[in-house]
Amino acid sequence: AQRVTQPEKLLSVFKGAPVELKCNYSYSGSPELFWYVQYSRQRLQLLLRHISRESIKGFTADLNKGETSFHLKKPFAQEEDSAMYYCALRSSTLGRLYFGRGTQLTVWP
Amino acid sequence: DAGVIQSPRHEVTEMGQEVTLRCKPISGHNSLFWYRQTMMRGLELLIYFNNNVPIDDSGMPEDRFSAKMPNASFSTLKIQPSEPRDSAVYFCASSYGSQISYEQYFGPGTRLTVT
Repeated sequence: AQRVTQPEKLLSVFKGAPVELKCNYSYSGSPELFWYVQYSRQRLQLLLRHISRESIKGFTADLNKGETSFHLKKPFAQEEDSAMYYCALRSSTLGRLYFGRGTQLTVWP
Repeated sequence: DAGVIQSPRHEVTEMGQEVTLRCKPISGHNSLFWYRQTMMRGLELLIYFNNNVPIDDSGMPEDRFSAKMPNASFSTLKIQPSEPRDSAVYFCASSYGSQISYEQYFGPGTRLTVT
């Protein structure tokens, strides 16, 4: 069965510190993985997808099939990165997304 | 485009009352999703439509929940009768499904409180 696990509900770091939001998944097929972000009082929006291998707002995420992980990383966190982050997996058969429970990131000044 | 539109933004109702949430997807999108967000369970998919047809409703909690998509520009999620445990933020999202690009665009959500 498909499952996305984000082990940390809350994560706090100081500005300028590295940050890593963990995401592990279970899926029998070839996964497509995403990170969505919800800033305060804003809509949930796509941050990045593994298939694009892109860096958005300094964030990167590498799909590690051996460890079934898709951790989100940024070398130097900024206060404006404070938000709720959701990892999501797309089912290739049904096309729907499976979301983790989310990690609330707080970056302190 | 104004993006995905949801109404109402806030709804407070008493237990036992019927609640109807509304969603207008982005024009041209052919997939529509209803999600529920709670502190305990995070973001859960309730139901998903493709070309106005329900594809996966396995996330609908029980018979009290129903969803319709009468046309490509409108969908409703109805709860009847509502219960306090239904209190949550309900999101609607739409996308234009393809193998390459599958970004879901979310609405602002409806915060439902059932007393």
